[in-house]
Amino acid sequence: DAGITQSPRHKVTETGTPVTLRCHQTENHRYMYWYRQDPGHGLRLIHYSYGVKDTDKGEVSDGYSVSRSKTEDFLLTLESATSSQTSVYFCAISEVVAGAYEQYFGPGTRLTVT
Amino acid sequence: QQQVKQSPQSLIVQKGGISIINCAYENTAFDYFPWYQQFPGKGPALLIAIRPDVSEKKEGRFTISFNKSAKQFSLHIMDSQPGDSATYFCAASTPNFGNEKLTFGTGTRLTIIP
Repeated sequence: DAGITQSPRHKVTETGTPVTLRCHQTENHRYMYWYRQDPGHGLRLIHYSYGVKDTDKGEVSDGYSVSRSKTEDFLLTLESATSSQTSVYFCAISEVVAGAYEQYFGPGTRLTVT
Repeated sequence: QQQVKQSPQSLIVQKGGISIINCAYENTAFDYFPWYQQFPGKGPALLIAIRPDVSEKKEGRFTISFNKSAKQFSLHIMDSQPGDSATYFCAASTPNFGNEKLTFGTGTRLTIIP
C-alpha cells in the first residue's frame, strides 16, 4: 500500500457542509494525487501536489481545494458539499520503481452527501 | 472527452480460460500504460505496466500486448482463476519527470465462473 492511509474511510454529510479528507504517507514521496471514482467514469484526477505548498488542478477540480503544508499530508476539502460529490475518493503517490515512476493508491474514502 | 476507451464493460470467463480486456487511446504522447486491479472496498493495485518500446510484457499469467500503430493495448489473463474476479482499469500517461498524471479507462468487471 506504499505507506498510504486515508481518513476517514467512510463519511456521510449533508449538502452545504464543509468536508476535509486526509491522505497521509510515511515514505517521503514528493508527488501526491487525489482521484475520485464513479461508476462509468473510472478514476478522474481532482488535484495533485508536486511538493510542500505546490499544488495544481486536475481534470475535475471544480468544488474542491487542496493543501499540503507537510510532505506527509495532502488534504482535500469540499468547501460546500453537493450530492454530485458523492463518490469514492482515492489518494495516490508516485514512486520510482526500477527507474520508472509508478502510482500507488490508498484504500479510499467513501463519501456520501445527502 | 474520453482519452482512453476500455472494453468490454463486463466480462464473464470460465475458470481456466483466457480473459481479454482491450483499451484504445488517442493521445500519441502517452508513453506509459499501466493496468490496475481493484477488489471491492479496496484501492486500485498496480498489476502490470508497459512502455511503447516493447510490444508485449508478461508477468506470470498476466500479459500486456501493445500495438503502437493502432493505438491499442490489451490485458490477457491466462488460466483465469476465481481469485482474478475483480474490476480492471487501464490507464495512460505522458512523461512528466515523476509527476505523471494518469488518464483511466472506465473499467471492466471480470467474473470468473467455475
